[in-house]
This record gives sequence, structure tokens and C-alpha cells, in this order.
Amino acid sequence: GEDVEQSLFLSVREGDSSVINCTYTDSSSTYLYWYKQEPGAGLQLLTYIFSNMDMKQDQRLTVLLNKKDKHLSLRIADTQTGDSAIYFCAEILFSGGYNKLIFGAGTRLAVHP
Amino acid sequence: GAVVSQHPSRVICKSGTSVKIECRSLDFQATTMFWYRQFPKQSLMLMATSNEGSKATYEQGVEKDKFLINHASLTLSTLTVTSAHPEDSSFYICSARDLEGASSYEQYFGPGTRLTVT
Repeated sequence: GEDVEQSLFLSVREGDSSVINCTYTDSSSTYLYWYKQEPGAGLQLLTYIFSNMDMKQDQRLTVLLNKKDKHLSLRIADTQTGDSAIYFCAEILFSGGYNKLIFGAGTRLAVHP
Repeated sequence: GAVVSQHPSRVICKSGTSVKIECRSLDFQATTMFWYRQFPKQSLMLMATSNEGSKATYEQGVEKDKFLINHASLTLSTLTVTSAHPEDSSFYICSARDLEGASSYEQYFGPGTRLTVT
């Protein structure tokens, strides 16, 4: 079935690392994504990882993928107040002739001094 | 690059009227655009997949006669909420896939349209 799960809330201190976790169900997903949404705004693509990779690093962002456990994580190093937002993971699902993004419920990251 | 715009950003309408929301890819061509609906503090729910020059594909449970989608060109898709009711109030977000992008699986999202039906 189509189900992407995330914890709903994470609170971290400024300067610490944040780790947001996600589990997905479709083992055939070729790409997995992390999006950021600030209040009242659309989604910003942060990064994505191809399913044949275990890790992808992009500046302060590190994505880890465990295909066996269908587990995806996003680590934000040196978290800043500007990182406060909702983070969505998403998997690609091929259905009805199209590739569709299936989103998790989103993790609200709160960064405090 | 890869900018998607939506218009309007906010709209308030009376119950029973229709509202049109535009989604444009500003600097790339998009054969496929997607329309999502997001309820407060919830995830995005895909409503329909819009293809240029053909009929949209609606997700299960989405009324195609109520949510009319037209994808007339490679840079424009419109969503019309017909005979709107208060329960249609929501945040509507579109996305577009860049034909020429590094990955055909990348989707770029618009800033969203907040619809309030009174």
C-alpha cells in the first residue's frame, strides 16, 4: 500500500544536529525526497536520493537510506532558527500510468536558542 | 531556475461560486503538472495529474466535475473549483515536472493558493 510515515514533531537547540526519520512502504521507489515547507508557503525541494545509494551529502544536509528496512533519514547539521519548518519525506510511486509523489504527514521542526 | 507560480495566492469566495487557480512554470516546460490539496497541519493529498493537451487523471475520491483541470499549454494548468462550499476551503498547491531537468522525477512546487469559502 501507499504509506509514508514520519514522526510529527522534533525540537532541537540551535547549533545541534537534527535528525528527521521516515519509513516508506514501496520497495520499488526509485527516488526518495525531502521537502521543506515554511508557514503559508509551498514546498521547497531540499534533496533527493536515488534508491541505489546509501548516503547523500549536500552541505549541511545528509540523507541516509536503508533500503532493507525502508528507512530514510535527514540530518541537518548546525541547525539554525531558519531551519524551523515542516519537513516532508516523499516516495515515488508508479500508479495509473504516472509517477506520483506520496508524502508523509510532515515533521514539524522547532529550533530554540 | 525551475520556478512555479500560482495565482491568486489567496482568494475568498462565496458559497456557490466558482474559483479558478492558475499554475505556471515560469522558466521551463512542463508536460505534466500535479494538483494537491493540503488541510491544516496535514500532508499533501494528490488530487489529479494534469497532462498538456489531454484529460486529467483524478485520484480516487476526487470529483472531476467539481475540480475542473485544464492544461492548455506546456506552461499553464488551471484548477477550477466549481460551486464551492465551505468544506472546499483549503490550501491548494500545484507542482510541475521539468522535461529537461536533470531528473525527470523532480517536481517543483508552486507557493500555494489559500481558498476560503464563506
